Amino acid sequence: EIVMTQSPATLSVSPGERATLSCRPSQSVSSNLAWYQQKPGQAPRLLIYAASTRATGIPARFSGSGSGTEFTLTISSLQSEDFAVYYCQQNDNWPHTFGGGTKVEIK
Amino acid sequence: QVQLQESGPGLVKPSQTLSLTCTVSGGSISSGGYYWSWIRQHPGKGLEWIGYIYYSGSTYYNPSLKSRVTISVDTSKNQFSLKLSSVTAADTAVYYCARGRMTTITFDYWGQGTLVTVSS
Repeated sequence: EIVMTQSPATLSVSPGERATLSCRPSQSVSSNLAWYQQKPGQAPRLLIYAASTRATGIPARFSGSGSGTEFTLTISSLQSEDFAVYYCQQNDNWPHTFGGGTKVEIK
Repeated sequence: QVQLQESGPGLVKPSQTLSLTCTVSGGSISSGGYYWSWIRQHPGKGLEWIGYIYYSGSTYYNPSLKSRVTISVDTSKNQFSLKLSSVTAADTAVYYCARGRMTTITFDYWGQGTLVTVSS
């Protein structure tokens, strides 16, 4: 199975600043990568699919990029509601695997 | 608006079978284009995809759990179910049901999740 490595594990950012999260699959997944946001006590919410396409209703401050074995989720200007845990997931090979998550916390 | 809701016991004894049901509202399980999945999250940990079922009944399970997992569907009730046998404390987790969209192969709707604790 493909192992997904996310870094950093925790990212401390001030509101209004930019956040850059990394996801690296153990083998190429082409552009078959999604990003999810999870807040405490809630289910994950789909943010990005196909590496760079925002899901319905997702603000433009969220953007995804990359292909193959290197992907990035960028939040251009962090809002209070963006402090959460972010997971990447590859959907190139079954089983579809998730990364360990990056927690974005208030600095 | 599609909604999913998990139901089932919150406490299961070791070696027994964990059984959960996901009831779907606001949309039909029988409509094509979606796969109906179970995903779990160990306390404070990441997400683990368990398996999925298509409305026709075809399934795919995570190889790491395949020997213990059964997912079934009841289209008449608009429900799908998970059975996980021979559970241990390592199966303690929040279990989510989710709808997977075939076109994007992503989970676009999730249940709220239900905590299942394995303990005697």
